[in-house]
Amino acid sequence: EAGVTQFPSHSVIEKGQTVTLRCDPISGHDNLYWYRRVMGKEIKFLLHFVKESKQDESGMPNNRFLAERTGGTYSTLKVQPAELEDSGVYFCASSQDLGLGELFFGEGSRLTVL
Amino acid sequence: RKEVEQDPGPFNVPEGATVAFNCTYSNSASQSFFWYRQDCRKEPKLLMSVYSSGNEDGRFTAQLNRASQYISLLIRDSKLSDSATYLCVVNGDGNKLVFGAGTILRVKS
Repeated sequence: EAGVTQFPSHSVIEKGQTVTLRCDPISGHDNLYWYRRVMGKEIKFLLHFVKESKQDESGMPNNRFLAERTGGTYSTLKVQPAELEDSGVYFCASSQDLGLGELFFGEGSRLTVL
Repeated sequence: RKEVEQDPGPFNVPEGATVAFNCTYSNSASQSFFWYRQDCRKEPKLLMSVYSSGNEDGRFTAQLNRASQYISLLIRDSKLSDSATYLCVVNGDGNKLVFGAGTILRVKS
């Protein structure tokens, strides 16, 4: 069975540009999460989808970040316009249960903003 | 104060050593506790959940002290392959996980 896949694995863009990260969760997992780790800091929650609905987006840093999960399958996270402080690794995770069972993480998308 | 605090290490230990990691959390309402393992430039993976009564999985033992809001992980007979960053994770408000910054373990031959 395929795990959580993320694309791209690494993106280098200039300040002010737009980047879209994609996550394909494990098939059948209704819960999809985005997390982020910036340099030297801990992994932090961004948002949580249940199917196509945003359950909790309290961790989104500002309105330059837009997450979607059309159809309740894959999700995208768009950063527009990107700023230097957005650099980091963006992890997607999925789970089958709403309660906190195991989260399965993708390998992450490393974003570098120059 | 961070929600989840860990000693960043690194812990440098020889093969076969026993090593213990500690973690404290600030949200007394947290109900779920985990240790995740993260290899260099890889994704976090669940190592084990932590239960109130303490639990063991092979060479790994996890303990929880709710009164002190303290979690521990003990690794016995360390292997080279145990080298990784160990993340203490608790549930925050809602269905989100709160991560500690991680403790680096380096096991050397």
